[in-house]
Amino acid sequence: TQLLEQSPQFLSIQEGENLTVYCNSSSVFSSLQWYRQEPGEGPVLLVTVVTGGEVKKLKRLTFQFGDARKDSSLHITAAQPGDTGLYLCAGAPGTASKLTFGTGTRLQVTL
Amino acid sequence: DAGVIQSPRHEVTEMGQEVTLRCKPISGHNSLFWYRQTMMRGLELLIYFNNNVPIDDSGMPEDRFSAKMPNASFSTLKIQPSEPRDSAVYFCASSYIDSKQYFGPGTRLTVT
Repeated sequence: TQLLEQSPQFLSIQEGENLTVYCNSSSVFSSLQWYRQEPGEGPVLLVTVVTGGEVKKLKRLTFQFGDARKDSSLHITAAQPGDTGLYLCAGAPGTASKLTFGTGTRLQVTL
Repeated sequence: DAGVIQSPRHEVTEMGQEVTLRCKPISGHNSLFWYRQTMMRGLELLIYFNNNVPIDDSGMPEDRFSAKMPNASFSTLKIQPSEPRDSAVYFCASSYIDSKQYFGPGTRLTVT
């Protein structure tokens, strides 16, 4: 079983602060996805990274795929209350159909 | 498009009862996934279908769980008999081939 460990598990910060969430595994993935989930809703895909070392930016969010394609990070600059939610990474071993989800990072951004 | 539709949104039932969760995928999508989310185990894939055919059901916890997809626009996940440890949020997601998965709002199941 491929496991994806996320850290930290919980993060409570104030508006304007920066943060980084990590997603680590001992297994290699062909691609890795990041999702955000808000209370009472399903996860929503933010980004997919495919190439080792790849960096993608989505406004204030920066995603990086490790060179060995075993880990990833999500960096948020100047966090806002709207960033509050559960962040999940998900790895695809081969076909993107069968995803293994990480343990999740619950982020709360306060004013 | 209305997105992935799940019903009911909430279900409370007593141990031993049969529970049926329903999902309508996004029109045109050919893959459908059932997930379960709990605080302890996170989000787990239970089963997925391609073109209405079950491809991988290795995540189904035990024989009490079964899933069907009689046509491209409907799927069910059935638990019979239900147990308190089945309490969780169950998500359905759909996608087109290997592209982005779209999740429904989930069904929160409580078994007492």
